[in-house]
Amino acid sequence: DTGVSQDPRHKITKRGQNVTFRCDPISEHNRLYWYRQTLGQGPEFLTYFQNEAQLEKSRLLSDRFSAERPKGSFSTLEIQRTEQGDSAMYLCASRKVTGSADTQYFGPGTRLTVL
Amino acid sequence: AQSVTQLDSHVSVSEGTPVLLRCNYSSSYSPSLFWYVQHPNKGLQLLLKYTSAATLVKGINGFEAEFKKSETSFHLTKPSAHMSDAAEYFCVVSFRGDQGGKLIFGQGTELSVKP
Repeated sequence: DTGVSQDPRHKITKRGQNVTFRCDPISEHNRLYWYRQTLGQGPEFLTYFQNEAQLEKSRLLSDRFSAERPKGSFSTLEIQRTEQGDSAMYLCASRKVTGSADTQYFGPGTRLTVL
Repeated sequence: AQSVTQLDSHVSVSEGTPVLLRCNYSSSYSPSLFWYVQHPNKGLQLLLKYTSAATLVKGINGFEAEFKKSETSFHLTKPSAHMSDAAEYFCVVSFRGDQGGKLIFGQGTELSVKP
């Protein structure tokens, strides 16, 4: 257990529905990342927050995706009008920024299946 | 463009024999390099990281990796495999020119350990 938690662990939804995932980082970590991992691939960066500010978004993050970190603590990732191609493992990681090679601690992930 | 390539998608070894998982990176900037392990239904766990100090890096569970700038490689080794080492291994890079510190993952190497 890394101290990063994600909820739910599994989500099955029908195409066109909206889903929301939650990530609770390690409490003193000021930076929070979202990644997506599809079957047989390594995780890919989606977006990150420095405290409550969203500072970078990948081109993978279409306009159907939105992420928030309202008080600089937990974060949510929402996918609107889900598509079958959204099926993946969504990973959250947190980090305390002290230098350029700080460790990112990953949560267990939320596995999304879109039927 | 920055990228990381894991040269083997699957490696199979016998218990007690050495492990070698190969990784090459491409970067215009000084990299920080990591190896993460992912066991089934568990989160990503950091094995070790290179941050421009010693080129030979020792990690957890007897793993180590050597940074070779001339070869742009960061191969992971272990002298003697254990059954519990069976998992997916990811070579990961981040670049000091990237203020966000996002991680770029290789596609992964699945390690199987035969009794």
